[in-house]
Amino acid sequence: GENVEQHPSTLSVQEGDSAVIKCTYSDSASNYFPWYKQELGKRPQLIIDIRSNVGEKKDQRIAVTLNKTAKHFSLHITETQPEDSAVYFCAASIMDDMRFGAGTRLTVKP
Amino acid sequence: GAVVSQHPSRVICKSGTSVKIECRSLDFQATTMFWYRQFPKQSLMLMATSNEGSKATYEQGVEKDKFLINHASLTLSTLTVTSAHPEDSSFYICSARSPGTSGGSREQYFGPGTRLTVT
Repeated sequence: GENVEQHPSTLSVQEGDSAVIKCTYSDSASNYFPWYKQELGKRPQLIIDIRSNVGEKKDQRIAVTLNKTAKHFSLHITETQPEDSAVYFCAASIMDDMRFGAGTRLTVKP
Repeated sequence: GAVVSQHPSRVICKSGTSVKIECRSLDFQATTMFWYRQFPKQSLMLMATSNEGSKATYEQGVEKDKFLINHASLTLSTLTVTSAHPEDSSFYICSARSPGTSGGSREQYFGPGTRLTVT
């Protein structure tokens, strides 16, 4: 089955700096790659997603890139703010089968 | 976006009892719902896929007789933890596939989760 690896597990940045989280997946048939943000004790919230027919997608300060050949995708957050502090999960999906990475705990220091 | 609710948000039960958790899609019909388990500071682990009108599909290692799933309508799936033990204490989250007529992968909307504590 699909295996998703996510790095780093923890990431600390200064407010205003950029943050990058990377994920790799194993199944070349995966075609949908969402990113979720989860604050402590709350539900995961979809923040951005990308499909396999697109190489890059941007939404304000958040961008995601996908390299299908290398089977890796990344989340980029620019101009980080303290409210960006949370756990971020990447996922790879084939139809209904969605597998999550282990998560990255991002801390943005004011 | 689509809204998924979950009830209860917290439950404490005694060892040996059963607990039912409800997951509802509030403004859309969900033929497929998913149940995840999340341990502290860990990722979301898929337990089972719940299909309306048919049996759930369980992931390897998940005891189907212990975690009973019923998806009796297009807006409701339930997870019953039977004969609960302290090791079943965890955060349980459901999700539903977003509505749409197109095939292929679609985003999932998550419920707020249920924190189960078995004493």
